[in-house]
Amino acid sequence: AQKVTQAQTEISVVEKEDVTLDCVYETRDTTYYLFWYKQPPSGELVFLIRRNSFDEQNEISGRYSWNFQKSTSSFNFTITASQVVDSAVYFCAATGGFKTIFGAGTRLFVKA
Amino acid sequence: DAGVTQSPTHLIKTRGQQVTLRCSPKSGHDTVSWYQQALGQGPQFIFQYYEEEERQRGNFPDRFSGHQFPNYSSELNVNALLLGDSALYLCASSVGQVYEAFFGQGTRLTVV
Repeated sequence: AQKVTQAQTEISVVEKEDVTLDCVYETRDTTYYLFWYKQPPSGELVFLIRRNSFDEQNEISGRYSWNFQKSTSSFNFTITASQVVDSAVYFCAATGGFKTIFGAGTRLFVKA
Repeated sequence: DAGVTQSPTHLIKTRGQQVTLRCSPKSGHDTVSWYQQALGQGPQFIFQYYEEEERQRGNFPDRFSGHQFPNYSSELNVNALLLGDSALYLCASSVGQVYEAFFGQGTRLTVV
């Protein structure tokens, strides 16, 4: 069975600080996909990044970067130089076997 | 290009009633997934539709059923509503399961 754990319930940072959101996943699928989504107060989930299970290369996209490590089943997400507009709930998700499982989310507060 | 649209945005139902929620996927998308998001929690996978068939189902009772039409739009039906069915219902569309899902703004269902 799939499971996604986001141990951090809430994180509070001051603007311009870097912040890393943790995600640990469990899956029996050999091929799976990992995602990070952002949910602002408006409620609509917004896609941020995607990673395939067979590609552990870590990348940077603007202020976003991620660290995918199969050995530890982790898919951590970092926002560099955080901004107030980054305040939202962030969800990690795993897709395998036509089913997507979301973590419970991490609420990020970025203070000016 | 319109994204994923859901209707209605809000509705209030009485215990025991039945409800139908609707979703139009993003243009070019053939897969529709439905999620239930209780307050303060992550989205919970209900089921996924592809080619008018239910391809995968989460841990939800048979009171939850769905349908996908030839134009890829979808409906979620919930029978015999319970107070615990009160939640934000999210529809997401994608091209298969490999790529990121685009979410609608959700339907806020309140059961009284």
